[in-house]
Amino acid sequence: AQKVTQAQTEISVVEKEDVTLDCVYETRDTTYYLFWYKQPPSGELVFLIRRNSFDEQNEISGRYSWNFQKSTSSFNFTITASQVVDSAVYFCALSGSNTGNQFYFGTGTSLTVIP
Amino acid sequence: DVKVTQSSRYLVKRTGEKVFLECVQDMDHENMFWYRQDPGLGLRLIYFSYDVKMKEKGDIPEGYSVSREKKERFSLILESASTNQTSMYLCASSVPASGNTIYFGEGSWLTVV
Repeated sequence: AQKVTQAQTEISVVEKEDVTLDCVYETRDTTYYLFWYKQPPSGELVFLIRRNSFDEQNEISGRYSWNFQKSTSSFNFTITASQVVDSAVYFCALSGSNTGNQFYFGTGTSLTVIP
Repeated sequence: DVKVTQSSRYLVKRTGEKVFLECVQDMDHENMFWYRQDPGLGLRLIYFSYDVKMKEKGDIPEGYSVSREKKERFSLILESASTNQTSMYLCASSVPASGNTIYFGEGSWLTVV
């Protein structure tokens, strides 16, 4: 079964704090892909990153970084020095090699950055 | 840039009305999707289409149908709208290769009264 769990429903931080959003996944595929999307109040889901299961290198893009650990089936997302514009709902998603047309989304984490 | 456009951002419909939600993508993607988003439930797949006139049911197809007459356009139809279909509807598209990114439209907020 394919499943993505985002246990944190809502998080509030004060501006400039660091924050980590957790994502845990389940899959039986040996090849799979993990994604993070951001959904600002306007509604559109914006693609942030894609990771395949053979690439466990962490990635950094500006204030964003991602920590992929196959041993714990986790793909966590950290925002450094958070800003008010980071306030959004963040979704983690999984796509398997045998289910290329199917994406499995977590229930999302709502992040509020307080100025 | 990939562009997925949903025709209506906000709609208010009456119970029993037939509702059409339209979606157009400009990247020649084979796959198109309709999701429903509700608080605490995340995104749930209603239907997806992998080619013109082809469709497959997702997790919650009951009360919905879809139409894909042209590659770029994918319509979601609520045959007889009910209040429990009040929700945010998201259209998306992708290339049908494993691991390819799925791109979303801005969403349509539907209220059924």
